[in-house]
Amino acid sequence: NAGVTQTPKFQVLKTGQSMTLQCAQDMNHNSMYWYRQDPGMGLRLIYYSASEGTTDKGEVPNGYNVSRLNKREFSLRLESAAPSQTSVYFCASIRALFANTEAFFGQGTRLTVV
Amino acid sequence: AQSVTQPDIHITVSEGASLELRCNYSYGATPYLFWYVQSPGQGLQLLLKYFSGDTLVQGIKGFEAEFKRSQSSFNLRKPSVHWSDAAEYFCAVGAGGGSQGNLIFGKGTKLSVKP
Repeated sequence: NAGVTQTPKFQVLKTGQSMTLQCAQDMNHNSMYWYRQDPGMGLRLIYYSASEGTTDKGEVPNGYNVSRLNKREFSLRLESAAPSQTSVYFCASIRALFANTEAFFGQGTRLTVV
Repeated sequence: AQSVTQPDIHITVSEGASLELRCNYSYGATPYLFWYVQSPGQGLQLLLKYFSGDTLVQGIKGFEAEFKRSQSSFNLRKPSVHWSDAAEYFCAVGAGGGSQGNLIFGKGTKLSVKP
């Protein structure tokens, strides 16, 4: 059981470069989420996809775009990376938010923008 | 929109002592509530969750939490802390459904355990 898989695990970018963080889940979950974690800030929601074909902004969407490629995959793109986007990024999925289930998390992507 | 407040940034307890981590939420309807734990450099693991029914819920590793609607709280407790419980704990609230559903976390409480 792979669960939620994030790639890459580590990445260093130069300011202005672009990259895509990949997330895939094999649990047939409907909803997927992208969070960033910064010291003292907890996990802040960037974007989420409640179901295939839908995406919505979370608390901190500026500078990011997302694509729900299919039910399994939800990618996060940084078009022009900035040092303020240095963070640990977590992807999560849940079968359905209103069902009696839990969210499962990937192991995170540690991104440094220099 | 829902929100979650964890008033304590850092708590230190002695091994064997009891523990209570506070969580207050803001949401107009009945929320779905979670507690997650994160060890250093790791992802998040679910400790317990509340959706409905009995307001006292049991989780893994001897943790429990009580949902109090009147106080908008979902505090996490453990009667006797072990050194391995040192970690960061996050309370989360899920709300809505369909395209409006999202999952919001508090800022976390870091737990240190003294020998």
